Amino acid sequence: EPEVTQTPSHQVTQMGQEVILRCVPISNHLYFYWYRQILGQKVEFLVSFYNNEISEKSEIFDDQFSVERPDGSNFTLKIRSTKLEDSAMYFCASSVEAGPFGYTFGSGTRLTVV
Amino acid sequence: GESVGLHLPTLSVQEGDNSIINCAYSNSASDYFIWYKQESGKGPQFIIDIRSNMDKRQGQRVTVLLNKTVKHLSLQIAATQPGDSAVYFCAEVGSGGSYIPTFGRGTSLIVHP
Repeated sequence: EPEVTQTPSHQVTQMGQEVILRCVPISNHLYFYWYRQILGQKVEFLVSFYNNEISEKSEIFDDQFSVERPDGSNFTLKIRSTKLEDSAMYFCASSVEAGPFGYTFGSGTRLTVV
Repeated sequence: GESVGLHLPTLSVQEGDNSIINCAYSNSASDYFIWYKQESGKGPQFIIDIRSNMDKRQGQRVTVLLNKTVKHLSLQIAATQPGDSAVYFCAEVGSGGSYIPTFGRGTSLIVHP
């Protein structure tokens, strides 16, 4: 079964440093998403991406965050200057169509900011 | 608004029992509701959805009930198995013109053999 692949599985970074979280969506999917989950809390939407541009973003997705599809396979989330409160599990997802169905989530990257 | 905390609600059941996981939602304008299962170390996985004009929908071993009067959603799992142990999230969709799922807080289901 096709999978969404995220790397690394765990990233530790110093406060103030930039991090890039990487995702390889399913190859025929056109819509891409980032979510985050602070430990023990709910999964929160960050951003959706289609046709090389952001289609929707949440209040969490401020100027510190950016997304990019640098080539035909990768989808990245960059946090420019990490804060302690950015520590969370970050999930990438992809879907064939717009709408709430058919999301496939990756296994996540655990980001720890120290 | 919904309160958040460090501790998830937890439901412990014995293998073979039926499980009922509950969810209160806030927005009466939502078009769909979706249940996701999140196993340890993995991302959320779609289980079942229900449209807001329905009261009940059944899948394989799962049933979702929607009570719009009290804004309550439940997921019933029949003959619960150890492999059902996971965190279960409800999500609402379609409020405010967005079709991005908005997740609720989650319930941890622990199935004892």
